[in-house]
Amino acid sequence: QQQVKQSPQSLIVQKGGISIINCAYENTAFDYFPWYQQFPGKGPALLIAIRPDVSEKKEGRFTISFNKSAKQFSLHIMDSQPGDSATYFCAAGAALNQFYFGTGTSLTVIP
Amino acid sequence: KAGVTQTPRYLIKTRGQQVTLSCSPISGHRSVSWYQQTPGQGLQFLFEYFSETQRNKGNFPGRFSGRQFSNSRSEMNVSTLELGDSALYLCASSWDTNEKLFFGSGTQLSVL
Repeated sequence: QQQVKQSPQSLIVQKGGISIINCAYENTAFDYFPWYQQFPGKGPALLIAIRPDVSEKKEGRFTISFNKSAKQFSLHIMDSQPGDSATYFCAAGAALNQFYFGTGTSLTVIP
Repeated sequence: KAGVTQTPRYLIKTRGQQVTLSCSPISGHRSVSWYQQTPGQGLQFLFEYFSETQRNKGNFPGRFSGRQFSNSRSEMNVSTLELGDSALYLCASSWDTNEKLFFGSGTQLSVL
């Protein structure tokens, strides 16, 4: 059973547009929900993260929306730029336990 | 501050062989986790070591094993390689909890 489901698999957005990636999780014991960004040839890098006690967290152009009752969270990239073109992974877990990753979303921002 | 270093960067092996991958974490980090990344499957958790002890283990067969040394460096071993083991193997380190993982660039393993 996949603990974290991510969609869409790929996404193409015009420069300046909004990119939205969605994730759903199963385990209500999860209490930390990070997003990672991966460029080709590199390992994933932590982008932004949220805890379930807040419904939204914003850092620059990146925002996480969190719906605890629906067990869903999403990443919004405002004013998307070509430099944002990368693969994005959501993840979920708890501090001392393993983290489960989604299958990734390949984002392409067209100039 | 140096990042997570994984060696080698690329490996080509044949079925039935074994392979050892190495990971040097960020200085001061005591936890090292290993992930297998394949297209369409995302990142699959292999295991995590903290202070030389395996703290978490994923659902991989016993052919996959690891260890951590007193300086926090870690190695991962895969015995009796199969074609399906071809993947990017990522190592990630963290201070103590797994909330903020710092990934290396990975070792690309190809099994022929």
